[in-house]
Parts: sequence; structure tokens; C-alpha cells
Amino acid sequence: SQKIEQNSEALNIQEGKTATLTCNYTNYSPAYLQWYRQDPGRGPVFLLLIRENEKEKRKERLKVTFDTTLKQSLFHITASQPADSATYLCARRYGGATNKLIFGTGTLLAVQP
Amino acid sequence: EAQVTQNPRYLITVTGKKLTVTCSQNMNHEYMSWYRQDPGLGLRQIYYSMNVEATDKGDVPEGYKVSRKEKRNFPLILESPSPNQTSLYFCASKGENTEAFFGQGTRLTVV
Repeated sequence: SQKIEQNSEALNIQEGKTATLTCNYTNYSPAYLQWYRQDPGRGPVFLLLIRENEKEKRKERLKVTFDTTLKQSLFHITASQPADSATYLCARRYGGATNKLIFGTGTLLAVQP
Repeated sequence: EAQVTQNPRYLITVTGKKLTVTCSQNMNHEYMSWYRQDPGLGLRQIYYSMNVEATDKGDVPEGYKVSRKEKRNFPLILESPSPNQTSLYFCASKGENTEAFFGQGTRLTVV
């Protein structure tokens, strides 16, 4: 079955450092992976999409990679700030259905000032 | 502004009293979905809809109903709520190969 796995342990880092979050998937590579940010009690908000044929995608301080050999995506936040503290979710397209997404459980990032 | 609107934001109810959580989107998306989120379990899909009059069960459909009579609305119905349905609920909509847009969430407590 298709699954998305994220490290359930919280990631604590110091302000200014680079945060790296991992997303592993099972089964065949999805056409794309998506990353979302979720603040406590609020709905997830889309950050980045990376397609299967893209190795890397950047948006301001964010960078996402997609490694189909390792079946893994890495999400990086450079020059992290306390305001980056949140839960980050990875999602993949489910099967051949273009619209259905399945989500990982998310990784809580805490950036200490 | 593109948005998904859920109501109510907070709801406390008693066991067995039917309730409906409404969800509406203004992006003309065909796909809509309901999730519940519990500590340590992440987002779990309850039901989804690929289009009007096309709904299907997600991973945790027991105790829930949905309907999709119009494209913009996708209400979640709890016919006889029980305490194990106490949770944070999210509605989402999604276009073809685009990101998902989530509502603000509904925090439901069943006593």
C-alpha cells in the first residue's frame, strides 16, 4: 500500500541554523510530493510541490528535494527563525487518482531563539 | 480570495444528538475531502468526493455521512455522535494536480 512516513519526533534547532525534515514513501514514486505547514489548531497551508522529474525546488528560504532512488523527500529551511516553528506535513498523490492526497503524520519543528 | 469555509469553528454536543458541519469552497474544485486530526495520528481521511453526487469512504468513515449535491458544498453529518468522535475536523478542496486548500477547522467535543 502507499504510505507516507515522517519522523514523529520533534526537531529542535537553534535560530539561524538549517532545519531538515524527512519524508519517506512506499510503493512506486508518486507524480509529485507536496509540503504543508500547520500551526496549532489551524488548517494546513501549502508550501511547495515537487514533481517526480525535479530533483530540487526552491522558494525563498525553503528547499525541497525528491530522490526516487531513496524514495525520499527532504525539506530544508535555511536561516531558520522562531516564526518557522510549526508542524510540517508531507503529502503524496494517491494512486492514479489525480486529486486524492495522503498525508504523513507531520514533524514538529521548534526553532529556539 | 480563494477559500474553504467551515462552520462552526467550535461545537460541544451530547452523545446521540445529530449534527452537521458545513463546508463550502469558492474555487470551483471538483475534489473535496473531510479529515479528522487526533494527537499522534495525523490527518485521517473520513470521506472524499471526486465530483457532484460522487462520494467515497476514506480511511475512517464509520459514524459519518456526507453528501455532495452541489459542487461548492460538502457537509459532514454525524447522525449519532459518540465521545470517540471528539476531534479536530478539517475540510479540504483540491483542483486537478494542484495543492489542497483547507478550512479553518472545527473542534468538536462530544460529551
